[in-house]
Amino acid sequence: GAVVSQHPSWVICKSGTSVKIECRSLDFQATTMFWYRQFPKQSLMLMATSNEGSKATYEQGVEKDKFLINHASLTLSTLTVTSAHPEDSSFYICSARGILAGVVDEQYFGPGTRLTVT
Amino acid sequence: EDQVTQSPEALRLQEGESSSLNCSYTVSGLRGLFWYRQDPGKGPEFLFTLYSAGEEKEKERLKATLTKKESFLHITAPKPEDSATYLCAVRDNNAGNMLTFGGGTRLMVKP
Repeated sequence: GAVVSQHPSWVICKSGTSVKIECRSLDFQATTMFWYRQFPKQSLMLMATSNEGSKATYEQGVEKDKFLINHASLTLSTLTVTSAHPEDSSFYICSARGILAGVVDEQYFGPGTRLTVT
Repeated sequence: EDQVTQSPEALRLQEGESSSLNCSYTVSGLRGLFWYRQDPGKGPEFLFTLYSAGEEKEKERLKATLTKKESFLHITAPKPEDSATYLCAVRDNNAGNMLTFGGGTRLMVKP
């Protein structure tokens, strides 16, 4: 149980285009989803937190208009990187927290999406 | 502000050589301390949650312990497949659902 998937796992796009990344909780309902960014050999940096049906809460320094987050259902959240630039190239990881067999505190992570902007 | 510091940054062990990873934390009120394992190019894999000082949890060759200031991840007789980055994170009572991560410890186990 507690499987989180991400799609795509790897994407290359041209500068100026937009890219959408999906995050799905496969076997539980995720009341809260998180989006992280990770640079090589560094730890995870929280970008935003989203609760189903409400607007995402962004961390300081994260541009809301650039990183659009939608959490339309209890199993799906999307991150859209708008007008991507090479500096947006990174490893994006989502996580989900919900109720699974009575356990509510763990966050389960997706496998990540490698974004390369050329 | 919550702070999490992991040490060492990198650790090289011979197969079978037991050791411990450290996670020091500062929070206003600990709601939970989490250990994750991350392999290169993959998302973190959940290992343990610890909630109160004195608590211990075990899984195969790994044992996590918790005090009021730090947590240790003990690795007994490690194998090469234990090589990974181990991440520690805390959730503060006053920080909602947010996890604060440490920088991680890169563990390399040589056969």
